[in-house]
Amino acid sequence: EPEVTQTPSHQVTQMGQEVILRCVPISNHLYFYWYRQILGQKVEFLVSFYNNEISEKSEIFDDQFSVERPDGSNFTLKIRSTKLEDSAMYFCASSEARHDSQPQHFGDGTRLSIL
Amino acid sequence: DAKTTQPNSMESNEEEPVHLPCNHSTISGTDYIHWYRQLPSQGPEYVIHGLTSNVNNRMASLAIAEDRKSSTLILHRATLRDAAVYYCILRTSYGGSQGNLIFGKGTKLSVKP
Repeated sequence: EPEVTQTPSHQVTQMGQEVILRCVPISNHLYFYWYRQILGQKVEFLVSFYNNEISEKSEIFDDQFSVERPDGSNFTLKIRSTKLEDSAMYFCASSEARHDSQPQHFGDGTRLSIL
Repeated sequence: DAKTTQPNSMESNEEEPVHLPCNHSTISGTDYIHWYRQLPSQGPEYVIHGLTSNVNNRMASLAIAEDRKSSTLILHRATLRDAAVYYCILRTSYGGSQGNLIFGKGTKLSVKP
């Protein structure tokens, strides 16, 4: 069964450094999402992406964050200048369509640790 | 998105059925009821969804109350692998929703051998 893959599984970065998290969505999916989960807390929506542009973003997704689909397969999340509070699990998801009957398929996440 | 209410935790014995409840008294007519689960150290996983009628798939069944103000996720025979946090999420196709999921705290299901 096709799946969403994320790399790396664990990223350790010094505060203030830039970090790029990578995702390969399911190949025929058109909608892409990033979520994060701080340890012990709820899964939170960050951003959705369709047709090479952001569809919606949450308050968390400030100017330090950006997303890109640099080629036909990868979908990336960049954090420009990381802060301690960016430490979390980051999950990528994709879906065939945006309609609310369509499920989202998640990767197993990247654990980001900011020192 | 409309809010849902779930018990914080539930316990089950292996091989027995599990009924996970969800209240969504403010649900609107266009809200789909979705269930996801998150196994330890993994990303959320889609389980099932429905609008008005009960639904079955290979993972579970979804029973939706006639007034749609509550629903129940049914695992017919719990296995140890079903131990996870289960999330009941309402998704609306009205009002410009862009499709993002809003997760609550969910129900942590423990399965005893």
